[in-house]
Amino acid sequence: EPEVTQTPSHQVTQMGQEVILRCVPISNHLYFYWYRQILGQKVEFLVSFYNNEISEKSEIFDDQFSVERPDGSNFTLKIRSTKLEDSAMYFCASSDAGSNSPLHFGNGTRLTVT
Amino acid sequence: GQNIDQPTEMTATEGAIVQINCTYQTSGFNGLFWYQQHAGEAPTFLSYNVLDGLEEKGRFSSFLSRSKGYSYLLLKELQMKDSASYLCVLNSGNTPLVFGKGTRLSVIA
Repeated sequence: EPEVTQTPSHQVTQMGQEVILRCVPISNHLYFYWYRQILGQKVEFLVSFYNNEISEKSEIFDDQFSVERPDGSNFTLKIRSTKLEDSAMYFCASSDAGSNSPLHFGNGTRLTVT
Repeated sequence: GQNIDQPTEMTATEGAIVQINCTYQTSGFNGLFWYQQHAGEAPTFLSYNVLDGLEEKGRFSSFLSRSKGYSYLLLKELQMKDSASYLCVLNSGNTPLVFGKGTRLSVIA
């Protein structure tokens, strides 16, 4: 069964540093998402991406965040200057038909900002 | 806005049946998802209810009542591997999906 893959699985970075989280969505999916989950808390929406542009973003997704689909397979999340409160599990997800179809999540990147 | 309520924790015995309830408030409604999330892992899709009624899929069933803003996930013949968090997720149609805080189910022998 096709999978969403994310790298790295763990990332430790110092406050103020830039990080790039990488994702390869399922190949025939058209809708891509980033979510985050702070330890012990609920899954929170960050951004959705369709047709090579952001379709929606949350209040969390401020100017420090950006997404890119640099080629036909990768989907990246960049955090420009990390803060302690950015420490969380970041999940990439994809779907084939938007919000009415199930999200397929990657295994996540655990980001720790020290 | 949207709001989702589900119990924080539940415990059930191996082989038993457990029902996890979810109530929601929303101005728009397209459907309701249930996801399973094992500790430290990604959520995985269980079910999606759009219309009222019960949908059965193996040991798992999901029920929806749109008029009552209520759904439940029913797990039968519980196994130890069913110990996980179960997330009620609202598709309101005009905003991104909203995840509930999840119900952590512990299955004991």
